[in-house]
Amino acid sequence: QKEVEQDPGPLSVPEGAIVSLNCTYSNSAFQYFMWYRQYSRKGPELLMYTYSSGNKEDGRFTAQVDKSSKYISLFIRDSQPSDSATYLCAMRDSFANAGGTSYGKLTFGQGTILTVHP
Amino acid sequence: DAGITQSPRYKITETGRQVTLMCHQTWSHSYMFWYRQDLGHGLRLIYYSAAADITDKGEVPDGYVVSRSKTENFPLTLESATRSQTSVYFCASFNRESYNSPLHFGNGTRLTVT
Repeated sequence: QKEVEQDPGPLSVPEGAIVSLNCTYSNSAFQYFMWYRQYSRKGPELLMYTYSSGNKEDGRFTAQVDKSSKYISLFIRDSQPSDSATYLCAMRDSFANAGGTSYGKLTFGQGTILTVHP
Repeated sequence: DAGITQSPRYKITETGRQVTLMCHQTWSHSYMFWYRQDLGHGLRLIYYSAAADITDKGEVPDGYVVSRSKTENFPLTLESATRSQTSVYFCASFNRESYNSPLHFGNGTRLTVT
């Protein structure tokens, strides 16, 4: 079983829809949770960053973390064709716990391919 | 331009040949990483480096060699390329001084081994 599980999709929605992307994980030590967006032929770029449990909102994007269920979500409101991309969840342990040269190592989900059609 | 640059963007090579993928970053980040991205597997860590002359294995290091003689460069070498190493390779860097610092990725090298 992978440490981080993400439904690869693909997911196709009409413009204006609410999109929900999810990841589950098994390592209870994870404390930092991220969502990266990757356009075709490009490298991933950070979209949202949250620490521990709770919600974080940035414009049309909301990230949720439920550590008790080991479940994170990304919601996209009023989705646009420009949101079409692969979305990867990523997470890591705290720096204090990682120790040594483990700083910065992320564990990624497999990525979900999202298409928003006009 | 500031950022992280990978070269070449595309490479086709034959089985058994040695191939080196280049990565250069201008931020002086101490940490650098090499990932490969394959359908169904997502991003998998090959090697990483905490500083010049300090490197360590990731999840899938077999068949790869890295070096880091200068902070800004982190080349990845496939000593004897195999078809299973056909993939998209991403280099990334990270500023460990900031807890919420993200990984900064290059735009990848698409490698095909025939």
